[in-house]
Amino acid sequence: TQLLEQSPQFLSIQEGENLTVYCNSSSVFSSLQWYRQEPGEGPVLLVTVVTGGEVKKLKRLTFQFGDARKDSSLHITAAQPGDTGLYLCAGAGRYNFNKFYFGSGTKLNVKP
Amino acid sequence: DTGVSQNPRHKITKRGQNVTFRCDPISEHNRLYWYRQTLGQGPEFLTYFQNEAQLEKSRLLSDRFSAERPKGSFSTLEIQRTEQGDSAMYLCASRGWPETQYFGPGTRLLVL
Repeated sequence: TQLLEQSPQFLSIQEGENLTVYCNSSSVFSSLQWYRQEPGEGPVLLVTVVTGGEVKKLKRLTFQFGDARKDSSLHITAAQPGDTGLYLCAGAGRYNFNKFYFGSGTKLNVKP
Repeated sequence: DTGVSQNPRHKITKRGQNVTFRCDPISEHNRLYWYRQTLGQGPEFLTYFQNEAQLEKSRLLSDRFSAERPKGSFSTLEIQRTEQGDSAMYLCASRGWPETQYFGPGTRLLVL
């Protein structure tokens, strides 16, 4: 069983649409990271959130860490084909913050 | 280039052979991680080093797997007597302070 559940698993949208990806758990994390991964490559770090309730914005991407530090969301505004990829969330354990637990990912396809 | 590098990028081997992968982390990072990723899944933690000390190993890491980081710099992951179920992407990540974890491009292993 995955410690972190991501939804949806797959998402196919048109260029210009907005979308939200969710990362949920019953466990508390000391921090949470979001990555984007392209086929055949390693995950690339997008953001780290540490404080419950924290919101970070990176251009068209908005990341939120839940108040209880159990969940997170990634919102993309006006998606572009270049956003296509596998989006992964990873939580660092509350007591063993040296270990990261990954979700199974959301595969996003943005059609031109 | 100051990122994480991994070699080789691809490895095809026959069942029963031994393989070794290398990871060169970001130079100032003292923590190094190995993960395994199969198709459609997020990375699964295998093992973790702080400097040269291997501090944690997953139950996924059978006795056929061994990892070393002899001088606290690069690391190697060896798989002995490979099995078809070992086919996966093997990812290395290094971690600075406090929470940032950066991945290498991975080594894709195919066991025939």
